[in-house]
Amino acid sequence: SQQGEEDPQALSIQEGENATMNCSYKTSINNLQWYRQNSGRGLVHLILIRSNEREKHSGRLRVTLDTSKKSSSLLITASRAADTASYFCATDRYSSGGGADGLTFGKGTHLIIQP
Amino acid sequence: DAGVIQSPRHEVTEMGQEVTLRCKPISGHNSLFWYRQTMMRGLELLIYFNNNVPIDDSGMPEDRFSAKMPNASFSTLKIQPSEPRDSAVYFCASSLHGFSYNEQFFGPGTRLTVL
Repeated sequence: SQQGEEDPQALSIQEGENATMNCSYKTSINNLQWYRQNSGRGLVHLILIRSNEREKHSGRLRVTLDTSKKSSSLLITASRAADTASYFCATDRYSSGGGADGLTFGKGTHLIIQP
Repeated sequence: DAGVIQSPRHEVTEMGQEVTLRCKPISGHNSLFWYRQTMMRGLELLIYFNNNVPIDDSGMPEDRFSAKMPNASFSTLKIQPSEPRDSAVYFCASSLHGFSYNEQFFGPGTRLTVL
């Protein structure tokens, strides 16, 4: 089943405005990550938030995590045309052995920044 | 570092043919992941390896799909025989995992078209 579900599916805003995307998931997680994908390219890691964290910042990015609601949000402040891309949340499960785990991705939010 | 390298970047083949996709992870990374991306199903985890050992192949759609990692610097994903529904972009990703840390670095993908 699809773990992460982003909302909205598409978002178009003016340059300079803030963009907010949401993600919901179904099962317990270890970490939640956000990735960006430009058209025709691979995914690029943006930010990771651990299950015991509630908020994290990186440059113009702000991520929140609410494990009680099984949801996360990604805020991009002062958007730029170069932020136009698809944004995906991804979750992984806790691995008792401490090893890496494959990610479960949502279907993404397609963000368009109008100049 | 050159990042994750995938080859070929594009592959067009006819139904029934064997297809082999190749991946070279980032040097020093000890986890490798294969994902598939389609419009209908989004990004799906196919299989992943930790220290060259396959950990979870439950995402491999059918027995027609197989993956190997003979050493730390090379992995293949093989489809035999290929079918039109296998058409997708296949991504390889690698990570350096420590306890509960799982940022993944993606290659540019192989766009597979099966006619």
